[in-house]
Amino acid sequence: KQEVTQIPAALSVPEGENLVLNCSFTDSAIYNLQWFRQDPGKGLTSLLLIQSSQREQTSGRLNASLDKSSGRSTLYIAASQPGDSATYLCAVNNQGGKLIFGQGTELSVKP
Amino acid sequence: GAVVSQHPSWVICKSGTSVKIECRSLDFQATTMFWYRQFPKQSLMLMATSNEGSKATYEQGVEKDKFLINHASLTLSTLTVTSAHPEDSSFYICSLNRDRAGNTIYFGEGSWLTVV
Repeated sequence: KQEVTQIPAALSVPEGENLVLNCSFTDSAIYNLQWFRQDPGKGLTSLLLIQSSQREQTSGRLNASLDKSSGRSTLYIAASQPGDSATYLCAVNNQGGKLIFGQGTELSVKP
Repeated sequence: GAVVSQHPSWVICKSGTSVKIECRSLDFQATTMFWYRQFPKQSLMLMATSNEGSKATYEQGVEKDKFLINHASLTLSTLTVTSAHPEDSSFYICSLNRDRAGNTIYFGEGSWLTVV
């Protein structure tokens, strides 16, 4: 059974810092992995999707990497801003769009 | 624009009543939709897979008689929480795929249910 773990559970950094969020999964037979952002009381915003054949994806200040063999993904946020404060979720797609989510990392960027 | 419309966004109901949440695909036909639940400070958990024209597939531990799913058309799936109790208070969110493999997944805005 696929299990997804995210560390740390919470992270507080000063504005401008670069930071890394970690995601690990137990079953490497994934189809793709996706990072989401969730603001308090809101739904999900898709940030980056990495196919199982890919190593990384970039969008603006965000870079996500994937090492399928070791069951790890990281989300790198460069030059963090207070507006980046949110909960970040990684989710693994094993088959057909059924997502298994990690517990999330609650990020707070202090001005 | 939005691809998935989910409503209501917020609902408060009394214990023992039933609540229906709708998930509508606005842009394309979806034979499969997914329903997730998120308790406060926890992650999203898949509840069931909604299949158009057939019975939903429920994840282990999810009561199918309590969470009724109907996917009567290619653009609409509904989740009905029957005989709601305070412990059913949660955030419910649906998703659907543009492709069968799940390369492009769209989420609804989510529905906050509070049972008093």
